Order: sequence, then C-alpha cells, then structure tokens
Amino acid sequence: DSGVTQTPKHLITATGQRVTLRCSPRSGDLSVYWYQQSLDQGLQFLIQYYNGEERAKGNILERFSAQQFPDLHSELNLSSLELGDSALYFCASSVGTSGETQYFGPGTRLLVL
Amino acid sequence: ILNVEQSPQSLHVQEGDSTNFTCSFPSSNFYALHWYRWETAKSPEALFVMTLNGDEKKKGRISATLNTKEGYSYLYIKGSQPEDSATYLCASSDNYGQNFVFGPGTRLSVLP
Repeated sequence: DSGVTQTPKHLITATGQRVTLRCSPRSGDLSVYWYQQSLDQGLQFLIQYYNGEERAKGNILERFSAQQFPDLHSELNLSSLELGDSALYFCASSVGTSGETQYFGPGTRLLVL
Repeated sequence: ILNVEQSPQSLHVQEGDSTNFTCSFPSSNFYALHWYRWETAKSPEALFVMTLNGDEKKKGRISATLNTKEGYSYLYIKGSQPEDSATYLCASSDNYGQNFVFGPGTRLSVLP
C-alpha cells in the first residue's frame, strides 16, 4: 500500500458525459501527478500540481482539467467523454517537485460506452 | 521534451536465468533516473532512484547502474523467479526535476 488513494476504482459512463476522479496523496506529499494508461500504451503524463498550483503539463486534452485543493487532494475532471478516453487513470504523489520518487495510487479504470 | 527509451520491449527468460535491460535518456540537464516495477493489475512500485554518475543500487536480487555521461542505466535481475514477471519502467527527470518522463517499459516474463 503506497498511501495514495484514488476513488472510484471503476467508472462506467457514456459518451458526452463528464466524470470526476479523485486522488488523496500520501501524508506529507505536496505534489500530485495524473497519468493515463490506454490499452497497450505506456504511462502518459497528464498534469502535475504542487501545493495547489499547476506545476507541469503533459499531453492533457483541453476537455480535461484538474485542480489541487488546500487539503492537497486532487481531482481530475474529464468532460465530453469519447470512447477513446477509456483508460486506467493513475494518480501519484511525491514529497516535492524535484524529481523525487513518485508513489502511485491503485488507479481508476474508466470505461466510456 | 525528454525522450526515454527502453530495450528490449519484452523478454522471456527461464527461472534461474539472470537478465538485464536498458534505459536510455538524454544526458544533458540530467537530474535523476528512477526504476519502477509494474505488475499486472497493480500500480507501479518504486525500485530505485539514482542521481550520480556511477551510482549503483541493489535490492535483493535486483540491481541498477547509472551512466549519466552517456545517458543510460541498466537494470539487472540475478536468478530470475516467476514472481519477477512484471513490466519494468524507467523514468528520467531533467531541469532540476521539472520534466519527469517514463519510458515505454520492458515486459519481463519468467517461465518456471
């Protein structure tokens, strides 16, 4: 158990809908990262927050957004969902923002029908 | 943008064999190199983080080396066991950790 929690574990929704994925980092970690793993693909970095502020942005679609709250939990919002958005979404956390080890949550599996 | 490569893409070995695989990364502005182990249906688990040229880390039968000048790291598994079967990911960061990029992984299958 890495100490990172993600909810929900599974999510099934329809095209065009909007969903919110939630992540709570390890106690003491200030950075939260979001990754997408599509079928047979590697980990694609989406976005990073550090202490409430956006720190780095990867291949995140404009339909997706995220935020980190004062209690340091983070939410990833996916809107106007398409079939291709079906994937495993991981959240990871680290102490700071200088390349430290990232600890991964169990992931949220999203299925868009 | 960092480009991190790993080879081979997949590997099948017999139980008891020793094996190794490679992670290549840009050497300019290098900051840290991480190795993760990712079992099917689980989340990636950190193995090592290395920062200095010549660093060697070891955890049980698994060890890793780092060459920052030429931009590569090796992961070694001695006496592979079926429970070592997983995808091994490396990730490199540069620019004081601002960019953190995972490689595509090496999928290891250890046959009993």
